[in-house]
Formats: sequence, C-alpha cells, structure tokens
Amino acid sequence: DAKTTQPPSMDCAEGRAANLPCNHSTISGNEYVYWYRQIHSQGPQYIIHGLKNNETNEMASLIITEDRKSSTLILPHATLRDTAVYYCIVRGNTGKLIFGQGTTLQVKP
Amino acid sequence: DADVTQTPRNRITKTGKRIMLECSQTKGHDRMYWYRQDPGLGLRLIYYSFDVKDINKGEISDGYSVSRQAQAKFSLSLESAIPNQTALYFCATSDPTGGSSYNEQFFGPGTRLTVL
Repeated sequence: DAKTTQPPSMDCAEGRAANLPCNHSTISGNEYVYWYRQIHSQGPQYIIHGLKNNETNEMASLIITEDRKSSTLILPHATLRDTAVYYCIVRGNTGKLIFGQGTTLQVKP
Repeated sequence: DADVTQTPRNRITKTGKRIMLECSQTKGHDRMYWYRQDPGLGLRLIYYSFDVKDINKGEISDGYSVSRQAQAKFSLSLESAIPNQTALYFCATSDPTGGSSYNEQFFGPGTRLTVL
C-alpha cells in the first residue's frame, strides 16, 4: 500500500473552506484514496474516498490530481466541530488501512 | 458508533497479567480489525479477520493474540501485558459486499489500557 505525506498541522477560520493536502506519489492504478478524521480520542470516522474522479458528499469534497500523485480534502464551511486529526490513506486490494500521523486541523473562531 | 461496542472502556493492569479486550458489533459485517494508537501517532493494525475462520496478522501482532468467536465478536488478548502496550485500542468493522471500491470501516469508542 502506498504511503502518504500530510502537513502535521493547519489552521482555518470558522466559516471558511479548509483545504487539506495529501501527497501519495507512489500510488498505483488500483489504489483508492480514503480520508478519515478523528475527533479528540474518539474512533476515526470515514469522510470520503475516491479513485481518480473528484468526489463530493455531504461532509466534504475530494479533489484528486490527474496524475493521482496528490489530493486535497475540502471542508467547504469549516466549523469548530471540524477540529480534528485528518488522515489521508491509500487503500490497496488488501482492504487494510495504513494510518499515518495525519494533519491536525484547528478551526478558530 | 453505537453499532460497534468495546469492553472495557478503561483498564489499568499490572505487568505480566493476562488481559482480554472485547469487541462486539451489530452491523452484520464480516470483517473486523484491531488497532492500537499511541499518543500523537496514527493507528496501527494489530490483527484483522475477514470472516469467522480467518485471522491475519497486521503490522504489530507480537505480544497479542485474537479470537473470532462469532461474526459479531472479535477479542484481543495480551497474554502477558508489558508497559509499552499502554495505548488506546480500537476495534473496527467493514462490509466488503459494497464492492472493492468501498471499504468504509466503522470504529468502536476505544479502550484505554494502562499497564503499570
């Protein structure tokens, strides 16, 4: 499974869009990009996933570059409750999720 | 997620003791996982099971064992606990029937284990 690189921390103003980047330069053609978040010490929560097309759901949007070497998770209107650690994960055929250290997003009023 | 429960939620034990952490799920999922999380780090996979008769080692299985008693139950055991097994432990489930593109994992609330 490919590894990912994320910035350790980011800040975002409440109500503004939060754009969280992820590099996965060694991703292979059949590996999916997944995003999870973990609020405080709760169990991680699934946000969104994609293969090569951009995806959107009620929580977020996922933008994957054409070469698939990087992606961006977008929270369109961040709230204080979005403060969490966000994990970008490349999932291969094994079905396993390999978590990195993630990005700590701090949403500020 | 209330569909995945873990017991106990907190446990303090001593070095050398045998400890069992239990996970139950009502989601009807075949796949179950055990992870540990150390402070400031991401989750690491200990063991996983794709069905009742299937057990697989993850990244850090040494010092741990598991039992899949039924589709709904997956237990993690520490045969002889040591202080560096102090961590937050999470159980998760997933359903592969949604196709290979979809493998959302549902996590329990976690068990905080302290080994003195």
